[in-house]
Amino acid sequence: SQQGEEDPQALSIQEGENATMNCSYKTSINNLQWYRQNSGRGLVHLILIRSNEREKHSGRLRVTLDTSKKSSSLLITASRAADTASYFCATDAEGANSKLTFGKGITLSVRP
Amino acid sequence: ETGVTQTPRHLVMGMTNKKSLKCEQHLGHNAMYWYKQSAKKPLELMFVYNFKEQTENNSVPSRFSPECPNSSHLFLHLHTLQPEDSALYLCASTQWQGRGNTIYFGEGSWLTVV
Repeated sequence: SQQGEEDPQALSIQEGENATMNCSYKTSINNLQWYRQNSGRGLVHLILIRSNEREKHSGRLRVTLDTSKKSSSLLITASRAADTASYFCATDAEGANSKLTFGKGITLSVRP
Repeated sequence: ETGVTQTPRHLVMGMTNKKSLKCEQHLGHNAMYWYKQSAKKPLELMFVYNFKEQTENNSVPSRFSPECPNSSHLFLHLHTLQPEDSALYLCASTQWQGRGNTIYFGEGSWLTVV
């Protein structure tokens, strides 16, 4: 069954604004990852946050994790038109076989 | 360039055809994956190979047949597919470390079944 669910499904913002995307999941996890996919291309890893971490930064990206609420958020600050893409959260659930389960993704459009 | 190369990038095949998708990773990883991406659906994990051994078959129909001759190459053999199998097929690899594996994806193979 689907583990990660992103919210909203689509987001349109003006260049320079911040974009906040959310992910909720159902079971306990070892870590949560965010990936980006440009139209018609493969997914690219952005950032990984472990279950014992609450916040992580990478350049203009800020990820938070709240294991009590089983949710994560990805914040992109000072967005650019080049940030236009689909963003996916992927969860690495606790269990014998470590595998990533992806959500449906969020389509982010950044207007120049 | 992600280090994971998929060929062909686009494939159109009839329902009675036999074709194969190829994936090669140049990252020295020991695990490889096939994912299926359809419109408005979550990315679906199909197969996982760890050290050339299949460790996951996510209830994939037998018309999809994977092959992993070594840890750098992965194939997906396609036979008598259905139009609903049309999708983007993504190959990926990782260095299996038990936890916290970052997956590196190829650019995908767009498959259209007519």
